[in-house]
Amino acid sequence: NAGVTQTPKFRVLKTGQSMTLLCAQDMNHEYMYWYRQDPGMGLRLIHYSVGEGTTAKGEVPDGYNVSRLKKQNFLLGLESAAPSQTSVYFCASSPLAGVGYNEQFFGPGTRLTVL
Amino acid sequence: AQSVTQLDSQVPVFEEAPVELRCNYSSSVSVYLFWYVQYPNQGLQLLLKYLSGSTLVKGINGFEAEFNKSQTSFHLRKPSVHISDTAEYFCAVSEKRAGTALIFGKGTTLSVSS
Repeated sequence: NAGVTQTPKFRVLKTGQSMTLLCAQDMNHEYMYWYRQDPGMGLRLIHYSVGEGTTAKGEVPDGYNVSRLKKQNFLLGLESAAPSQTSVYFCASSPLAGVGYNEQFFGPGTRLTVL
Repeated sequence: AQSVTQLDSQVPVFEEAPVELRCNYSSSVSVYLFWYVQYPNQGLQLLLKYLSGSTLVKGINGFEAEFNKSQTSFHLRKPSVHISDTAEYFCAVSEKRAGTALIFGKGTTLSVSS
């Protein structure tokens, strides 16, 4: 099992450009999450999904959109990137029940720089 | 709503010394508690978690944590640290239901030197 994978690992954007970050999990988890990590701030939730076709806002959703068209994938989009979105982005997933219940499994992260 | 406070942003220690990383939380409901570790340029890895039962929880790499409900704390300890324990450590809480997001503290950087 690959677990949670994220694409790309690194990206540099210019202000105003758009991009999509892809998260994929092969553990058949129902729940998926996008966090951003900034120095001295810990991780903050951007958006999350409790199942295919459903998404919800987290603590810091402004400037981001998400989609979950397939259970195994969770996409994070930036329509018009801003320097304030320079961050490390982590995707996570968790199961509905059973082994690992309430534990979130994290991907390796995407380091995004917006110039 | 929940919140997490990690009381030390940086903890420098010498190799083979004991260490305690402190975490306090605030919540109006019962919560699950977690400690994650992040090694440089990597993702987060679960160290241990408290769901219910015994308040002393043992995790990977020789770490353990004790849940103290009256003091709303979940401090992480290791009796003897190694250079390889140098990393950032995050305390997190979640409500006791599936699919709820984790609320993280701001992290504690543990630096182990020889």
